[in-house]
Amino acid sequence: QSVLTQPPSVSGAPGQRVTISCAGNSSNIGTGYDVHWYQQLPGTVPKLLISATHNRPSGVPDRFSGSKSGTSASLAITGLQAEDEADYYCQSYDVSLSAWVFGGGTKLTVL
Amino acid sequence: QVTLRESGPALVKPTQTLTLTCTFSGFSLSRSGACVSWIRQPPGKALEWLALIDWDDEKHYSPSLKTRLTISKDTSKNQVVLTMTDMDPEDTATYYCARMTWNDNWFDPWGQGILVTVSS
Repeated sequence: QSVLTQPPSVSGAPGQRVTISCAGNSSNIGTGYDVHWYQQLPGTVPKLLISATHNRPSGVPDRFSGSKSGTSASLAITGLQAEDEADYYCQSYDVSLSAWVFGGGTKLTVL
Repeated sequence: QVTLRESGPALVKPTQTLTLTCTFSGFSLSRSGACVSWIRQPPGKALEWLALIDWDDEKHYSPSLKTRLTISKDTSKNQVVLTMTDMDPEDTATYYCARMTWNDNWFDPWGQGILVTVSS
């Protein structure tokens, strides 16, 4: 059971917009710690997609955006492309656990 | 360019101790703010943070695994070692090491990962 809660799966047609939620609590996202997102394409290593809630590392398309409100965060992907089909993970820090924590991952299917 | 690479056994027996080495380049673990972490991923499952060591040799462990984990560093060799005792088939996973900068709290980049299978 992951500390951060994500939907197991989301889907959308090419060109559509999808969002992936990441629910935390007052010990992690709610304390003000940033949320980070990783993309794991099939059979590959996780790659940093969004850092510090909404910053895109060099090379990440602006179709990907992040936001945070209260104890939750979201990853939005606009203009869905087939190449976006992957697992997405959120990550933050939990002060009660004194540990870095991940969400359970969300599998994005492009229909 | 920062790179990390994991090495170690692909197969261990139940109850044995696993020792993994992360060899990195492109940064120094003696520089203020530098950290290396271990993260694992069982087949088909989610990522799980395991341990982190920082530039000042401070060590942090997953609460659920801390009794079984030891992380250490050899700054001169640019290596970080993770040991996990009393291995169980449920510890079968791909083990990654990744760099983190203190105050940033994100992991980037990651090593290629090493699949460790626990089986008799």
